[in-house]
Amino acid sequence: EDQVTQSPEALRLQEGESSSLNCSYTVSGLRGLFWYRQDPGKGPEFLFTLYSAGEEKEKERLKATLTKKESFLHITAPKPEDSATYLCAVLRKDFNKFYFGSGTKLNVKP
Amino acid sequence: DGGITQSPKYLFRKEGQNVTLSCEQNLNHDAMYWYRQDPGQGLRLIYYSQIVNDFQKGDIAEGYSVSREKKESFPLTVTSAQKNPTAFYLCASTNVGARTGELFFGEGSRLTVL
Repeated sequence: EDQVTQSPEALRLQEGESSSLNCSYTVSGLRGLFWYRQDPGKGPEFLFTLYSAGEEKEKERLKATLTKKESFLHITAPKPEDSATYLCAVLRKDFNKFYFGSGTKLNVKP
Repeated sequence: DGGITQSPKYLFRKEGQNVTLSCEQNLNHDAMYWYRQDPGQGLRLIYYSQIVNDFQKGDIAEGYSVSREKKESFPLTVTSAQKNPTAFYLCASTNVGARTGELFFGEGSRLTVL
């Protein structure tokens, strides 16, 4: 069964305290893994796409990595404005259906 | 600017009423999706459409209906048969032929049943 699991559900960090969010997945034939940021009451905002194991993408304080079973979103020296819910999704190769995890709610305190 | 427009942003419904949520995109995407989001839960797929005049049920289609008469429009009707319709609804689209394949989302519509 295709499944996406994110951990932890919630994460509280002090400003500057680096950490990682996890997205583990089981899917038959991965076409892509996607990371999104979602602010309260807003639609998800696209961050990264990863296609194959070993791939890495970076954007400001965020870095996403991918293995055959999981992806990590590393946050380096976070700021309060990084506080949001981070969603992970996978897309199968054979048809255009996305599977989402339940998200990690990140709170960065000044 | 290209994007996805959802309306209304907030909607209140009395029990027993049908309501329709609008979703319009000017990205020239073939595929469009409706998701429901509840607190503490991931996005759950209601319906999706990969081409005009065709759509498929997602994981939680009961109590919902859609139409896809135009490429840019994919309205969702929440019927009185939906037992617990209070939720945040998200419309999304993607370019099926693109290598990247990411979903683009609208800003969402929050439906509250009074």
